[in-house]
Amino acid sequence: KQEVTQIPAALSVPEGENLVLNCSFTDSAIYNLQWFRQDPGKGLTSLLLIQSSQREQTSGRLNASLDKSSGRSTLYIAASQPGDSATYLCAVNNFNKFYFGSGTKLNVKP
Amino acid sequence: DTAVSQTPKYLVTQMGNDKSIKCEQNLGHDTMYWYKQDSKKFLKIMFSYNNKELIINETVPNRFSPKSPDKAHLNLHINSLELGDSAVYFCASSQDVMSNQPQHFGDGTRLSIL
Repeated sequence: KQEVTQIPAALSVPEGENLVLNCSFTDSAIYNLQWFRQDPGKGLTSLLLIQSSQREQTSGRLNASLDKSSGRSTLYIAASQPGDSATYLCAVNNFNKFYFGSGTKLNVKP
Repeated sequence: DTAVSQTPKYLVTQMGNDKSIKCEQNLGHDTMYWYKQDSKKFLKIMFSYNNKELIINETVPNRFSPKSPDKAHLNLHINSLELGDSAVYFCASSQDVMSNQPQHFGDGTRLSIL
């Protein structure tokens, strides 16, 4: 059974810093991997989706990488802003079975 | 123009009652999902429907019964509510079953059992 782990569980950084969030998974036979953001009391907002054949995806200040063979993905956030404060979740799609990590709670201090 | 909408947003009820949560998506997607997020923020898939057909049922008690009247709606009915059912329930949709398009989530329904 797929297990998804996110490290660290929480992160607090000053504004402007570049940071990396980590996601690891145990079964490398994935269809895709998705990074989400969750704000308090809200649903999940999709940030980036990486297909199994891809190595990375970029959107603005966000860059997600995927190393399927080692079971790892990272989300890189450049020049962090207070508005980036949220919980970040990664989700692995094992051919229509979705497994989520428990998230990294990010706090960006002004 | 909410893409995935769930009602109600909050639901407070007594143990043993029966309740329903409704979900609608206006994205034209074929696949819809129900997730449960527990107090530790773990999200677990409960059900997945594709074009009104059940494709995933993840060891959920049979007190939970999803119903999909059409591909734009996936409702969740819960019988004989228990304390352990307290959680946030999220509805989501995606273009189709094996899609490399992102899932879209509703804002959640916070269910509290007294």
